[in-house]
Amino acid sequence: EAGVVQSPRYKIIEKKQPVAFWCNPISGHNTLYWYRQNLGQGPELLIRYENEEAVDDSQLPKDRFSAERLKGVDSTLKIQPAELGDSAVYLCASSLYSNQPQHFGDGTRLSIL
Amino acid sequence: GQQVMQIPQYQHVQEGEDFTTYCNSSTTLSNIQWYKQRPGGHPVFLIQLVKSGEVKKQKRLTFQFGEAKKNSSLHITATQTTDVGTYFCAVYGGYGNKLVFGAGTILRVKS
Repeated sequence: EAGVVQSPRYKIIEKKQPVAFWCNPISGHNTLYWYRQNLGQGPELLIRYENEEAVDDSQLPKDRFSAERLKGVDSTLKIQPAELGDSAVYLCASSLYSNQPQHFGDGTRLSIL
Repeated sequence: GQQVMQIPQYQHVQEGEDFTTYCNSSTTLSNIQWYKQRPGGHPVFLIQLVKSGEVKKQKRLTFQFGEAKKNSSLHITATQTTDVGTYFCAVYGGYGNKLVFGAGTILRVKS
């Protein structure tokens, strides 16, 4: 089966600019996750979707971050405006259902200048 | 919220030596997952442990869940250069019962 697909792989922007990431989960997976991973740390959950519904966005900085999962398939994560501290790898993952093993995409490495 | 302590933070071994990483929690866990992340790669699911005292093996990898379900270990026998990467344990907990990752153990193998 095709894995989780993310784009772009790399993104370099200046601070205060907007940026968006895209994720296509594994076909049939109901649950989709966005994580942020800083260097030398484990992934930290930003938001979790069950189909179209965001069921856990408690860790999402809502003043500048937004996400959507239209039609319960693809998802986008947006940052506007970006800050220097947002530099990290943004990982998308999906699972058949919650509490099932998660399959990760290759991530987007974001660098803020 | 739910936290797990993972030790050691880093280990450098000679090829052929064994390696073990430990994951500890102050609370009883419902289950625990282990992931491997190669340098520059993404986390890849290895295994999930559910039962108290459970032991599972995948070739040279042995995973164990403690009797009290508060700790777990991953042991690699006779490491190879392909074992290089960061090994994360992950547990469910906290608000929303989300998957919380440990800080990971970085394994380097000298050939």
